[in-house]
Amino acid sequence: EAGVTQFPSHSVIEKGQTVTLRCDPISGHDNLYWYRRVMGKEIKFLLHFVKESKQDESGMPNNRFLAERTGGTYSTLKVQPAELEDSGVYFCASSQRREGEQYFGPGTRLTVT
Amino acid sequence: AQSVTQLDSQVPVFEEAPVELRCNYSSSVSVYLFWYVQYPNQGLQLLLKYLSGSTLVKGINGFEAEFNKSQTSFHLRKPSVHISDTAEYFCAVKTSYDKVIFGPGTSLSVIP
Repeated sequence: EAGVTQFPSHSVIEKGQTVTLRCDPISGHDNLYWYRRVMGKEIKFLLHFVKESKQDESGMPNNRFLAERTGGTYSTLKVQPAELEDSGVYFCASSQRREGEQYFGPGTRLTVT
Repeated sequence: AQSVTQLDSQVPVFEEAPVELRCNYSSSVSVYLFWYVQYPNQGLQLLLKYLSGSTLVKGINGFEAEFNKSQTSFHLRKPSVHISDTAEYFCAVKTSYDKVIFGPGTSLSVIP
């Protein structure tokens, strides 16, 4: 069974540009989560999808971040426009049930210069 | 609200020596507890988890952790470390229906 995959693995963009991160959860997992770790800080929750619906987006830092999960399969996280403080590693996780274990992807390392 | 404390940000240890990485949490409800590891340039990998039952949990790569409810701790141990254990280790908590809350991480450096 394939695990959670994320694309790209690494992205370097300039301040003001747009970047879109993609996450493919484990097949059959309705729950999809985004987390991020900015430099030197803790891994923080961003948001949670149940199928295509946003269940909890309390961790989204501001309106420059837009997450979608059309069709309830893969998800995208767009940052527009990117700022220097957005640099970090963005993790995606999925689970079959909300109370179940979350399986994490390898992360996307975003560098904003 | 839940929170996780990892008091040691960096732990250097000689190869084949034992190691303990400390984790304390705070929560007013029952939680599930996890240890994740991130090797250099890799993603998060689950080391072990405590959901219920025996308080001593064994994980991959020879690691184990003990859940202590009275001390709200979930310390990670390994009796003999290897160079390949050099990584960052994250303690995390989760309630039944909530997101995962991570600790700040402990960087383990194994010295040959």
